[in-house]
Formats: sequence, C-alpha cells, structure tokens
Amino acid sequence: GAVVSQHPSWVICKSGTSVKIECRSLDFQATTMFWYRQFPKQSLMLMATSNEGSKATYEQGVEKDKFLINHASLTLSTLTVTSAHPEDSSFYICSARDRDVSYNEQFFGPGTRLTVL
Amino acid sequence: GDSVTQMEGPVTLSEEAFLTINCTYTATGYPSLFWYVQYPGEGLQLLLKATKADDKGSNKGFEATYRKETTSFHLEKGSVQVSDSAVYFCALSDQGAQKLVFGQGTRLTINP
Repeated sequence: GAVVSQHPSWVICKSGTSVKIECRSLDFQATTMFWYRQFPKQSLMLMATSNEGSKATYEQGVEKDKFLINHASLTLSTLTVTSAHPEDSSFYICSARDRDVSYNEQFFGPGTRLTVL
Repeated sequence: GDSVTQMEGPVTLSEEAFLTINCTYTATGYPSLFWYVQYPGEGLQLLLKATKADDKGSNKGFEATYRKETTSFHLEKGSVQVSDSAVYFCALSDQGAQKLVFGQGTRLTINP
C-alpha cells in the first residue's frame, strides 16, 4: 500500500515551453501533497505544500507564477513549470500524506527528471 | 526553526562492515523522526521511523533509536551489503506541522 506515482518519469523540453508533472496517490487519499526539488548530490528542497481544494502554500523564494500547483482531487496534484528555462532543469519529487495516518509520514513518488534545452 | 544535521559523506565501507550514520536534530516540539533511502535515479523510500522518545525503528537490518536526551537518531546496521549503496536522509516532522525537514543526505558506497 501507500504508493505514489509520478508522470512522466523524465521529460526534455525546449526553453520557453511549459511542462506539467502529475503526482498520484494510487491506493490512499491524500489531503496534502508536497512538491520538492532536488539538485544533483543535494538534499530535497520543499517548494510547496498542496492541499486538496485550496491554494498551494509556497516556500520562501519559490515563484508562484512559475511553478503552478493544482490539487483538484484527493489523489492527484499537478506541478506545471511555466516558461521553462535551463536553470529549471532538476529532479522534481512529490510526496503525499495519507489522511488516515496520524503521524506525519510522507510517501514519495519516484521523481521526474526535467531537462530544459 | 527545526533542523537536521547528518554526518557528512561520502561514506565508503567494505561489505559486512558495521555502519553508523549520525543524525542530530533541533526541534521546538516533539517531532517524529525518519530515515529515508534514495537509490540512484529514484525517489525516496521510507527506511524506518520513530514517533516518540526511546522508540526504536528497524527495517532490513537497519536500526535507529529516538534519543531525546541527546536529540539524536543515528542509523546503524551490523553488516552492510553492496545493495545498501544509496543516499540516506534523516528527517523530522514536527507534530504541529506537516512538513518534513531533511538533513543534507549521506552517500554510502559499499565495496564487495
């Protein structure tokens, strides 16, 4: 149980285009999902917290208009990187919190590697 | 704010060696503590957890004990295998918040 999927697993796009990444909780309902960014050989940086049916909460320094997050259902959150540039190239990882679990465990997706040319 | 500090890597060991990866934390409340493992090119997998003081989390031969008095959650394994090569992250989640705060990660390489 507690499986989180991400799609696509990797994507290459041209500078200036937008890319959408999906995060799904497959066997549980996630009222809260999180989006992280990971640079090579570094730790995860929390970008935003996404609550179902409400606006995402972004961490300081993360551009809301550039990284659009939508959490339309209890099993799906999407991250759209708008007008992508080479500096947006990174490994993006989502996680989800099971609403039926009392402690704050997060279940992670396998990640999406974005390369912007 | 809350923070997690891990021993710096990379750590290289021979197969069957004893492993310790140190982790200490700073938190205002009573956090839950986690160890996550990341294999190359993959997302994070929960390795073990402890939700209160003196709890011991264990999985796949790995253990860590929640030590409130020393604010530590060191990861140990008695005999490592080549397949344990990965990056290990210590993390905490404060009871009042939903966020995970990660340490910087420790890259472990096990040589046959």
